[in-house]
Amino acid sequence: KQEVTQIPAALSVPEGENLVLNCSFTDSAIYNLQWFRQDPGKGLTSLLLIQSSQREQTSGRLNASLDKSSGRSTLYIAASQPGDSATYLCAVYSGAGSYQLTFGKGTKLSVIP
Amino acid sequence: EAQVTQNPRYLITVTGKKLTVTCSQNMNHEYMSWYRQDPGLGLRQIYYSMNVEVTDKGDVPEGYKVSRKEKRNFPLILESPSPNQTSLYFCASRTGAVDIQYFGAGTRLSVL
Repeated sequence: KQEVTQIPAALSVPEGENLVLNCSFTDSAIYNLQWFRQDPGKGLTSLLLIQSSQREQTSGRLNASLDKSSGRSTLYIAASQPGDSATYLCAVYSGAGSYQLTFGKGTKLSVIP
Repeated sequence: EAQVTQNPRYLITVTGKKLTVTCSQNMNHEYMSWYRQDPGLGLRQIYYSMNVEVTDKGDVPEGYKVSRKEKRNFPLILESPSPNQTSLYFCASRTGAVDIQYFGAGTRLSVL
C-alpha cells in the first residue's frame, strides 16, 4: 500500500527566504505526483502536476521535482511571501489506471512579514 | 468557469438519519472521487468513479455509498451516519490519468 510522508510537518520562515518542502513515497510505481495548496477552511488548489516521465515542473516562483527511483519529490518556493502561508499537500497517483490517490499529511507553512 | 460544486457546505445531523451530499462538475470529466479529511490522518479516498456506472472503493469506503448515473454528478450517500463519520468531505474530478484534479470547496459534516 502506498504511503506518502511530508517533512517537516510545519515550517516558519521570514519573508523573502527560499524554501524547500519534501515529500517521499514508498512505492515508486507511480503515475503522477501533484502538489496542492490548502488555505484554512478551504478546498484544495492544484499547484503543479508532474507526470511520471518528467523530472520537474515550474510555475512562477514554484518548482517541483520528482525522483521516482528514490521515491522523493520536492517543492521549491522562491522569495517567499506572507500570501504563501498555507498547508501544502503532496499527492501520488498509483494503482491500475492511476485512479488511486494517496495524500501526505501536509506541511503547514508560515511566512513571517 | 470550471467548477466542482458540493452541497451542502455545512451539515449537522443525528446518528442513523440517512443523508446525501451532492457533487456536480461542469467540465465533462470522466473521473470523480470523494475524500474525507481528518486531523492527524490527512486526506483519504473514500470512493472513485472512472465513468458513468463505474465505481470502485478507495481506502475508507465503509459506511458510504456512491452512484454515478450521470457524468456530471457523483453523490455520496451515508445510509446510517455515525459519529465517526464527522469529517470534512471533498469531491474532486479530472479528465484522465494525466490531468489536474479539481476539488470542490468541501462539506463539513457533524454527526451527533
